[in-house]
Amino acid sequence: GESVGLHLPTLSVQEGDNSIINCAYSNSASDYFIWYKQESGKGPQFIIDIRSNMDKRQGQRVTVLLNKTVKHLSLQIAATQPGDSAVYFCAPHPSSGYSTLTFGKGTMLLVSP
Amino acid sequence: DADVTQTPRNRITKTGKRIMLECSQTKGHDRMYWYRQDPGLGLRLIYYSFDVKDINKGEISDGYSVSRQAQAKFSLSLESAIPNQTALYFCATNPGISTDTQYFGPGTRLTVL
Repeated sequence: GESVGLHLPTLSVQEGDNSIINCAYSNSASDYFIWYKQESGKGPQFIIDIRSNMDKRQGQRVTVLLNKTVKHLSLQIAATQPGDSAVYFCAPHPSSGYSTLTFGKGTMLLVSP
Repeated sequence: DADVTQTPRNRITKTGKRIMLECSQTKGHDRMYWYRQDPGLGLRLIYYSFDVKDINKGEISDGYSVSRQAQAKFSLSLESAIPNQTALYFCATNPGISTDTQYFGPGTRLTVL
């Protein structure tokens, strides 16, 4: 099965810093990747996604980088704000056509003012 | 999100009791999912349904059953609750076309004593 790991379970940053959250995956058949943000007491929310035919995608203050060679992706958050404090999950999706995601354990991002 | 609602939001019950968690969605999505979340283990898939006549087991279906009463409703049952089913339960939906992104409900916190 899919093995999804995160390098840093907790990341503490100062407000205004840039944050980088990493995710490694094991299934080379994964062709679609989603990042979710989960704030305390809430369900996960979609942040950004990327397909395997891309190596970079940018959103509002967030950038996802994908390195298929080493099966690694990262989520970069620019000018991190206290409201960014949450658990971040990456979810690779296989190319089977069935919409079941495998979620990593998550990384807790703590932003201090 | 209000588009995906879960009831109850919190529930405390005793070992051996039958419990039903309900999920409703107004997004018109065909696909619905049930996950449980435990500290340090991320989100794990219990059951999923791609339409009203389709039910599939996920990673950890033992001890659970589901019912897809209509496109908008997907219920999760614990026939005889046990303490290690204490967890946060999330329902999610997906349109099944054009995107693999899943949209999560607010969660149900279940405690089995």
